[in-house]
Amino acid sequence: QVQLVQSGAEVKKPGASVKVSCKTSGYIFTSYAISWVRQAPGQGLEWMGWISGYNGNTKYAQKVQDRVTMTIDTSTTVSLELRSLRSDDTAVYFCARGMGTTADFDYWGQGTLVTVSS
Amino acid sequence: SSELTQDPAVSVALGQTVRITCQGDSLRSQYASWYQQKTGQAPVLVIYGKNKRPSGIPDRFSGSSSGTTASLIISETQAEDAADYYCSSRVTSGDPVVFGGGTRLTVL
Repeated sequence: QVQLVQSGAEVKKPGASVKVSCKTSGYIFTSYAISWVRQAPGQGLEWMGWISGYNGNTKYAQKVQDRVTMTIDTSTTVSLELRSLRSDDTAVYFCARGMGTTADFDYWGQGTLVTVSS
Repeated sequence: SSELTQDPAVSVALGQTVRITCQGDSLRSQYASWYQQKTGQAPVLVIYGKNKRPSGIPDRFSGSSSGTTASLIISETQAEDAADYYCSSRVTSGDPVVFGGGTRLTVL
């Protein structure tokens, strides 16, 4: 069965960086993209970007494009790095499998809470 | 505009039908996807494409679209359908994916 398993919660200070991983299994990795979506406490969903499982091409949201990097670390694991963290980056970060280049995300990781606090 | 607009809250009586709407210019040419999110859980895809349901989603969930408005329709609403619902779509300008602000569904 398809699974996306994310790394554990992180607490970071303002200005630091964080890296969240998403280990996938149960499907052909190169046939899908992985998107990252975050959700601040009590707020809605915000798309951050995607990375192609086929060739590693990326597309980032304008709001974070200067601070974010998405990578394929192994044949089945992708990571999100966010730099220069601010308090408003405090959120649950989800990875999600995308069906092509659509907004259809059919499997999601369990979420990783990133807390930015001094 | 690349925004998607949803009503913040909707309520429905148990067993009745409810329509949750999503408005945006992108919906003239793109289908909306719909996600259900319960407190403390990851979102779950319930409708995508032209009224398609992923495996395991009850057939009381359906989708429709007209002009710049997409709708998620829940028939014979059950207590377990109480959740936040988000629409999303591809857009052709700005960021390629956008989410609506979400609708909290209360089942009375």
